[in-house]
Amino acid sequence: EVQLVQSGAEVKKPGESLKISCKGSGYRFTSYWIGWVRQMPEKGLEWMGIIYVGDSDTRYSPSFQGQVTISADKSTSTAYLQWSSLKASDTAMYYCARHLTTSSGADSWGQGTLVTVSS
Amino acid sequence: QSVLTQPPSVSGAPGQRVTISCTGSSSNIGAGYDVHWYQQLPGTAPKLLIYDNSNRPSGVPDRFSGSKSGTSASLAITGLQAEDEADYYCQSYDSSLSNSLIFGGGTKLTVL
Repeated sequence: EVQLVQSGAEVKKPGESLKISCKGSGYRFTSYWIGWVRQMPEKGLEWMGIIYVGDSDTRYSPSFQGQVTISADKSTSTAYLQWSSLKASDTAMYYCARHLTTSSGADSWGQGTLVTVSS
Repeated sequence: QSVLTQPPSVSGAPGQRVTISCTGSSSNIGAGYDVHWYQQLPGTAPKLLIYDNSNRPSGVPDRFSGSKSGTSASLAITGLQAEDEADYYCQSYDSSLSNSLIFGGGTKLTVL
């Protein structure tokens, strides 16, 4: 069974750094892309970026370029989303999702990681 | 404001048919990129409902169907059930400035 399991909820202060994770199982992790999606409270889905785990080819939405870093560790079948300096506006649910290609639908999703940034 | 435009809300009575539109442009849907649809039930992660314009993943009832024409796509739901009440999102690829996947703004389906 294909599964993406994300790390737990985080509460952080503005200016702090954070790295959340998404661990894949049940399939060849290195043969797929992992995308990240933001959903702010009571808002819609926003596509942030995507990484091909096999060679770490990474693409970002212009809205998120320079704001976050997407990475992956083949040895642990884990993808990451990180911030160097959080803002209150980063408060949201973040989902990872599996894609076969950069333009294909996401056929498997993580359960989401809630990030709360508050002073 | 999303590059893909969806109606904020639609509604229908149980058993009825509803459609949700997704309007794009020549740099995304009109350029031939596939459209995918997701269902997000309250408090849960999105789920792939339709991929590549009109294909259903295993386990998705055939009450759900998708189509695409020109710069638009549509999701149709027949035989509405209470459990269909959810948010629905379209997604495609955009080759203009964004050069990335994009979502529609989402449509809230209310089953009356």
